[in-house]
Amino acid sequence: GAVVSQHPSRVICKSGTSVKIECRSLDFQATTMFWYRQFPKQSLMLMATSNEGSKATYEQGVEKDKFLINHASLTLSTLTVTSAHPEDSSFYICSAGDRNRGFPYEQYFGPGTRLTVT
Amino acid sequence: KQEVTQIPAALSVPEGENLVLNCSFTDSAIYNLQWFRQDPGKGLTSLLLIQSSQREQTSGRLNASLDKSSGRSTLYIAASQPGDSATYLCAVSGNTPLVFGKGTRLSVIA
Repeated sequence: GAVVSQHPSRVICKSGTSVKIECRSLDFQATTMFWYRQFPKQSLMLMATSNEGSKATYEQGVEKDKFLINHASLTLSTLTVTSAHPEDSSFYICSAGDRNRGFPYEQYFGPGTRLTVT
Repeated sequence: KQEVTQIPAALSVPEGENLVLNCSFTDSAIYNLQWFRQDPGKGLTSLLLIQSSQREQTSGRLNASLDKSSGRSTLYIAASQPGDSATYLCAVSGNTPLVFGKGTRLSVIA
């Protein structure tokens, strides 16, 4: 149980275009989803937290107009990187949790999406 | 602000050795601590989760300890195997979402 998927696993796009990454909880209701970014040989840095049906909460330094997050259902959250630039190339990982299970609730991680902007 | 440090950054050992990975955190007000494994280019696999009230957790050849008051945790791997080669991440959960360390890159040489 507690499986989280991400799609696509890899994406290459041209500078200036937008890319959408999906994060799905396959066998549980994810009231909360988290989006992380990981640069090579660095740790995971939290970008934003999204609760189903609400606007996402972004961490300091993360541009909310550039990284659009939608969490419209209990099983799906999307991250759209708008007007992508080479410096946005990174490994994006989502995680999902169910706050109805009591705090702190465990987060289950997706397999990640490798974004390369050329 | 919570900060998590992992030492060493990289470790190479011969197969069969027992080893210890270290994790320290600056704010002891945590709910739990988790150890993850990450293979190159892959997502995270949760290995062990220790609640703040616990001192250790064991799973197979892995044993994780937690000393909340001193802000330290260790991950002990017994009888290491080449398949254990990966990056091991430590993360703590408190009033803020999970805060990760930079990880320890482990190589087990056959």
